[in-house]
Amino acid sequence: QVTLRESGPALVKPTQTLTLTCTFSGFSLSTSGMCVSWIRQPPGKALEWLALIDWDDDKYYSTSLKTRLTISKDTSKNQVVLTMTNMDPVDTATYYCARIQAVGYFDYWGQGTLVTVSS
Amino acid sequence: QSVLTQPPSVSAAPGQKVTISCSGSSSNIGNNYVSWYQQLPGTAPKLLIYDNNKRPSGIPDRFSGSKSGTSATLGITGLQTGDEADYYCGTWDSSLSAFWVFGGGTKLTVL
Repeated sequence: QVTLRESGPALVKPTQTLTLTCTFSGFSLSTSGMCVSWIRQPPGKALEWLALIDWDDDKYYSTSLKTRLTISKDTSKNQVVLTMTNMDPVDTATYYCARIQAVGYFDYWGQGTLVTVSS
Repeated sequence: QSVLTQPPSVSAAPGQKVTISCSGSSSNIGNNYVSWYQQLPGTAPKLLIYDNNKRPSGIPDRFSGSKSGTSATLGITGLQTGDEADYYCGTWDSSLSAFWVFGGGTKLTVL
């Protein structure tokens, strides 16, 4: 059974760095073709893809947020970590992690974690 | 402004059929598989259709997908009140602006 769960702070201050952890089970990120991605959704708005890391440790980022994002993995812990620097109130959103296989669709999602950016 | 264009809302009566369009370009839909996601209120998105027209296990055949050129369509027949949700299309994008793109989402109301 595949599960993913996001964890991290519910509240961050402007200019701070956000660190989110995706802990997953039911698959290995060392298996060829496996990838984990981060997606966010501001309240009442659409989904926005952020970043992806694959089994070979290749990393891909949203062009518009590339300078602020870092994605990494710890295969032994079954975790993927996303950091986002210089947080702003417009970054307030529910952040999801999801599994994607190389063929290209998000087949399993975490429940999401709401991050509010406010002083 | 999303790379993929969806109508903001659609509505139909229970038992009726509805379609949701998703328009893109040759850098995304035109050369890649499309997937669709259903997001019920207050929940995470769920995979509904993948590879343009395939349904994951457990998704009823009331849901269908198709693709033609740079556009894709989600169809839902026999509408139920439980189908009220936001629906998103998504696909890879080979342009410099993104790697994966979603549509802006369509709110389905079952009247």
